[in-house]
Amino acid sequence: KNQVEQSPQSLIILEGKNCTLQCNYTVSPFSNLRWYKQDTGRGPVSLTIMTFSENTKSNGRYTATLDADTKQSSLHITASQLSDSASYICVVGGNNAGNMLTFGGGTRLMVKP
Amino acid sequence: GAVVSQHPSWVICKSGTSVKIECRSLDFQATTMFWYRQFPKQSLMLMATSNEGSKATYEQGVEKDKFLINHASLTLSTLTVTSAHPEDSSFYICSARANRGWGYEQYFGPGTRLTVT
Repeated sequence: KNQVEQSPQSLIILEGKNCTLQCNYTVSPFSNLRWYKQDTGRGPVSLTIMTFSENTKSNGRYTATLDADTKQSSLHITASQLSDSASYICVVGGNNAGNMLTFGGGTRLMVKP
Repeated sequence: GAVVSQHPSWVICKSGTSVKIECRSLDFQATTMFWYRQFPKQSLMLMATSNEGSKATYEQGVEKDKFLINHASLTLSTLTVTSAHPEDSSFYICSARANRGWGYEQYFGPGTRLTVT
């Protein structure tokens, strides 16, 4: 069964600090891995998308890594800001008919002043 | 980036009535759109896949006669919650798929908050 597991479920950090969110998946066949940011009451917004051959991708203060061998990904947030408070969702795309996405449960991040 | 809109952004309706939610891809054509439901502090749950010009494919446990989906054009899909009940209160999010050559990108709408009283 295709699954995406994220950790931690929730995280509280102080403004200006860095943090790293984890994602493990068992989706097969694998096509791509995405990180989305979802503000409360809003739809998810894409941060990064990585295909099989990519190990890292950055988007401003967000840096995602992918290890396709161990089926792990991480999202590193540098110099956190209050506006980073949101849920971060790891989503894995399958390389099969329909190209369906499997969603992780998300990590709820709260950045405090 | 591509934009997906939803209308309305929030709606309150009485139990037993029907509610229609629209999802539009504003600057690209989407042959496939998806409808998700999200309960508080939970991740998105796929309800159905909507393909332009054909019947929607529903996930297990989702009643197709209760959640009517119409994908009438390449830029519009609608979800109608029929005979709504309080347990249907949720955050409904649509998503539209765009072919980017390397694969498919999926853009999400801002969501519709449905409250059934």
